[in-house]
Amino acid sequence: AQSVTQLDSQVPVFEEAPVELRCNYSSSVSVYLFWYVQYPNQGLQLLLKYLSGSTLVKGINGFEAEFNKSQTSFHLRKPSVHISDTAEYFCAVMNTNAGKSTFGDGTTLTVKP
Amino acid sequence: DAGVTQSPTHLIKTRGQHVTLRCSPISGHKSVSWYQQVLGQGPQFIFQYYEKEERGRGNFPDRFSARQFPNYSSELNVNALLLGDSALYLCASSEGGRSYEQYFGPGTRLTVT
Repeated sequence: AQSVTQLDSQVPVFEEAPVELRCNYSSSVSVYLFWYVQYPNQGLQLLLKYLSGSTLVKGINGFEAEFNKSQTSFHLRKPSVHISDTAEYFCAVMNTNAGKSTFGDGTTLTVKP
Repeated sequence: DAGVTQSPTHLIKTRGQHVTLRCSPISGHKSVSWYQQVLGQGPQFIFQYYEKEERGRGNFPDRFSARQFPNYSSELNVNALLLGDSALYLCASSEGGRSYEQYFGPGTRLTVT
């Protein structure tokens, strides 16, 4: 069994400020890790993924995330946010032996001018 | 190339009715997964199909069923609709049954009254 906890349901931040969205996971087997973004009334778009190798992964739109195996975390960061980054962000894990993803409940990022 | 397409976009049904949702995967993709996203929560895994066979099933009642056709498109059927079935239903396609990279469609918004 696996689970994902997104530690902050809402994160308000001013434009051009840095942001970190936190994600912890639990799994008894090896997993792949993902961050997705969802804009209103749209499906999910993949931001970045960790499969193996370097623990720091870079994604689209200037986002990056760091995999920490000892703390079972995969926090998402961006050094300077834009108004257009306002959206819902989901952390997900996938069992490396299966195609099913388990998602967290999401973090609403609101970027204010 | 077309991405994952889903139809219809929106749907309103009455309790006790039946509904069929449709998904066409990206060309060349052989696996389709279905997720239910209730407002304010992350997507929950319902089914995965690969090469027309069920590969995985989430914790959903037997009222939920699905199938995959020879052209790899898929249908999700829900019988005896309940108010709690109101949600965004997302379809995701991937190349293979154990492929880690999923591409999501825009979803079908189902409202049960």
